[in-house]
Amino acid sequence: DAKTTQPPSMDCAEGRAANLPCNHSTISGNEYVYWYRQIHSQGPQYIIHGLKNNETNEMASLIITEDRKSSTLILPHATLRDTAVYYCIVRVLRTGNQFYFGTGTSLTVIP
Amino acid sequence: DVKVTQSSRYLVKRTGEKVFLECVQDMDHENMFWYRQDPGLGLRLIYFSYDVKMKEKGDIPEGYSVSREKKERFSLILESASTNQTSMYLCASSLEVGTGEKYEQYFGPGTRLTVT
Repeated sequence: DAKTTQPPSMDCAEGRAANLPCNHSTISGNEYVYWYRQIHSQGPQYIIHGLKNNETNEMASLIITEDRKSSTLILPHATLRDTAVYYCIVRVLRTGNQFYFGTGTSLTVIP
Repeated sequence: DVKVTQSSRYLVKRTGEKVFLECVQDMDHENMFWYRQDPGLGLRLIYFSYDVKMKEKGDIPEGYSVSREKKERFSLILESASTNQTSMYLCASSLEVGTGEKYEQYFGPGTRLTVT
């Protein structure tokens, strides 16, 4: 599976958009991009996923570049509760597969 | 809602003890996973299981074993606990692929194990 690279930490002002980048330059055509986040003292939680097209749900938007070598998770109006570690994962869907979470990006939303 | 429960939130054991960490999910998920999480190292997969009595090694299986006798229960076993196994242990479950591309893992609250 493709490896991902994320910045170790980022800050964002409350109410502003948080843009979290992820590089996955070795991604292959059948690999999906997933984003999870982990709030302190809890297990990781699914946010969003995509293959080629940009995606939006009630939590966030996912922008995938045309060559699919990078993506950006956007939290449109960050709140203090969005302070968490965000993981970008690329994964092929197949039986018995698994996620490699890596170390993620620690986002701090500042009041 | 999917619920994944773990037997203990905090556990303290002595070096050399045999330790059992239990995980139960109530959504009839085929896949179950055990991770450990350490500062600076992120989540690392220890073992996973895609069916009853089936198991696959993850990234760091050394020093651990697992058991899945029933679909809803996945146990992590430390045969002889060591201090370097002090960590946060997270269990997760998911549906089998083929049920949709939204492959979502549901996590339990974690067990913080301290080995002294």
